[in-house]
Amino acid sequence: QVQLEQSGAEVKKPGASVKVSCEASGSDINWVRQAPGQGLEWMGWMDSNSGYAGVGQKFVGRLTLTTSASRDTAYMGLANLRSEDTAVYYCATVGITLNNWYFRLWGRGTLVTVSS
Amino acid sequence: DIQMTQSPSSLSASVGDRVTIICRASQNIGTSLNWYQQKPGEAPKVLIYGASDLYSGVPLRFSGSGSGTEFTLSISSLQLEDFATYYCQESHSAPRFTFGPGTKVDVK
Repeated sequence: QVQLEQSGAEVKKPGASVKVSCEASGSDINWVRQAPGQGLEWMGWMDSNSGYAGVGQKFVGRLTLTTSASRDTAYMGLANLRSEDTAVYYCATVGITLNNWYFRLWGRGTLVTVSS
Repeated sequence: DIQMTQSPSSLSASVGDRVTIICRASQNIGTSLNWYQQKPGEAPKVLIYGASDLYSGVPLRFSGSGSGTEFTLSISSLQLEDFATYYCQESHSAPRFTFGPGTKVDVK
């Protein structure tokens, strides 16, 4: 499967912010993260055309989803980082069928390490 | 919020075995259910969407069934490349989503 291109690994200190990019070419983009040895956790979604973003309750106030002016790159910003935010962050486009949305194409993932 | 569970959390199997994984939703989600395969160090890949539709390029040994609150992913004859972790994901709440906790399939 074709993969979306994401920015490289980041190391941040607690309390800092991180911004991860995903080349999306005008697609709606979802963000999913995976802590080491853990499962998949949906974070949020952005409609690249309207600019509307939906954020999971756990991330309200910390997660900012944006796109470039040309709408070809999506960004995920996470503020006030803590150690439990250490994870691989994936972007993914959706496929939509009747009554169902699924994550069709995924990025390779960006490892964000939060450590003092 | 919809809660997703999977059983078992892990299983050991041999090449050629038939494998079945169950995913349950805390409320009726119709057929808004998808299955993914993830290998270590890789991004997940979609296998089944809409509970039973096989994604393009996915081998026919994979199949999905179910509706409402109980769903099944089956692998008819396990191959070496199928040892991985499998996740279900509901989209009834779209554009918000919930994944199941995963089922790891390893070598017996």
